[in-house]
Amino acid sequence: AQSVTQLGSHVSVSEGALVLLRCNYSSSVPPYLFWYVQYPNQGLQLLLKYTSAATLVKGINGFEAEFKKSETSFHLTKPSAHMSDAAEYFCAVSDQAGTALIFGKGTTLSVSS
Amino acid sequence: DGGITQSPKYLFRKEGQNVTLSCEQNLNHDAMYWYRQDPGQGLRLIYYSQIVNDFQKGDIAEGYSVSREKKESFPLTVTSAQKNPTAFYLCASSIERVNTGELFFGEGSRLTVL
Repeated sequence: AQSVTQLGSHVSVSEGALVLLRCNYSSSVPPYLFWYVQYPNQGLQLLLKYTSAATLVKGINGFEAEFKKSETSFHLTKPSAHMSDAAEYFCAVSDQAGTALIFGKGTTLSVSS
Repeated sequence: DGGITQSPKYLFRKEGQNVTLSCEQNLNHDAMYWYRQDPGQGLRLIYYSQIVNDFQKGDIAEGYSVSREKKESFPLTVTSAQKNPTAFYLCASSIERVNTGELFFGEGSRLTVL
């Protein structure tokens, strides 16, 4: 069965610092991978998705992620954190039938001034 | 504007009562989903539907029921059989199969059992 593991339930950075949120996946077939962001008491919004076109995927708000098959990873990065980036981030993988997304447990990003 | 509307945003329920959460979309999407979110647990799939009058159980369907009588509507009923119903419930939709696009989410409904 496919799954994702997000390393670190909470990440804290200073404003202007690099953001790195880690995600490893398990899949027996080429996966489709996603990163979503959730602000308090709201739904999720898509940041970016990997669908086997390019290994480096650029998303909204300056975020990007790199698909590394050899490491089964899809880490999310942003060169310079803003206060507005504080939120919960979820990594997700499509299931084998492609009918639903399987989500990780989430990483809460805190940004301090 | 197109989107997904969930109601109510907040709901309180006494133990033993059934409650129904509404989810309506005007995106003309075929597939709709219900997820449950608990702190530190991520999102877990309750039910999904890829076409009108058809739906499938997800990972945690016990104690829940759904219907899909119209393309734009996918209500979720939390029954008294659900042992721990207090949670944040998220409805989502996608154009077709999820791996060709993205899930669009509603704002969520927070259910509290008193």
